[in-house]
Amino acid sequence: KNQVEQSPQSLIILEGKNCTLQCNYTVSPFSNLRWYKQDTGRGPVSLTIMTFSENTKSNGRYTATLDADTKQSSLHITASQLSDSASYICVVQQRNAGNMLTFGGGTRLMVKP
Amino acid sequence: DTGVSQNPRHKITKRGQNVTFRCDPISEHNRLYWYRQTLGQGPEFLTYFQNEAQLEKSRLLSDRFSAERPKGSFSTLEIQRTEQGDSAMYLCASSLASSGGAGSYNEQFFGPGTRLTVL
Repeated sequence: KNQVEQSPQSLIILEGKNCTLQCNYTVSPFSNLRWYKQDTGRGPVSLTIMTFSENTKSNGRYTATLDADTKQSSLHITASQLSDSASYICVVQQRNAGNMLTFGGGTRLMVKP
Repeated sequence: DTGVSQNPRHKITKRGQNVTFRCDPISEHNRLYWYRQTLGQGPEFLTYFQNEAQLEKSRLLSDRFSAERPKGSFSTLEIQRTEQGDSAMYLCASSLASSGGAGSYNEQFFGPGTRLTVL
């Protein structure tokens, strides 16, 4: 069964601190892995997309890593800001006709002043 | 605003009523997806269209749910005889399906969602 598991489920950090979110997946055949940020009551917005051959990608203060051998990914947030408070969702796309996405349950991050 | 739009943003209805949601994708996108997201969970796939053809439906899409994309542009999702368990955020996404290749992401862009509450 295609699954994406994320940890932790929730996280509280102080403004300015760094944090790392984890994602493990069993989706096959693999096409790419994405990290999305979802603000409360809004649709998800893409942060990074990585294919099989990419093992790291940055988008400002967000850095994603991918280990396709162990099927693990992480999202590192540097120097957190209050506006980083959101859910972060790991999503794996299958290499098939519909390019189907399998979503993780998300990590709810709260950044406190 | 040229992103994906959804209407209404919020809908409160009584159990047993029918509801219909609308999604307007990014204009040149040929694929349109519907997802359902319950509180604290990631989105779950419901169905998708390529142009006007509905190509795949999830087992989550019971016979009370129907989706259409009659002209290959906007789409509607109708839920008949709503149940309290239907309460969720309904997300729409669109993408431009390319011919493939290693660099083909077919990235999906999401709308803001319609939050349904069934009383």
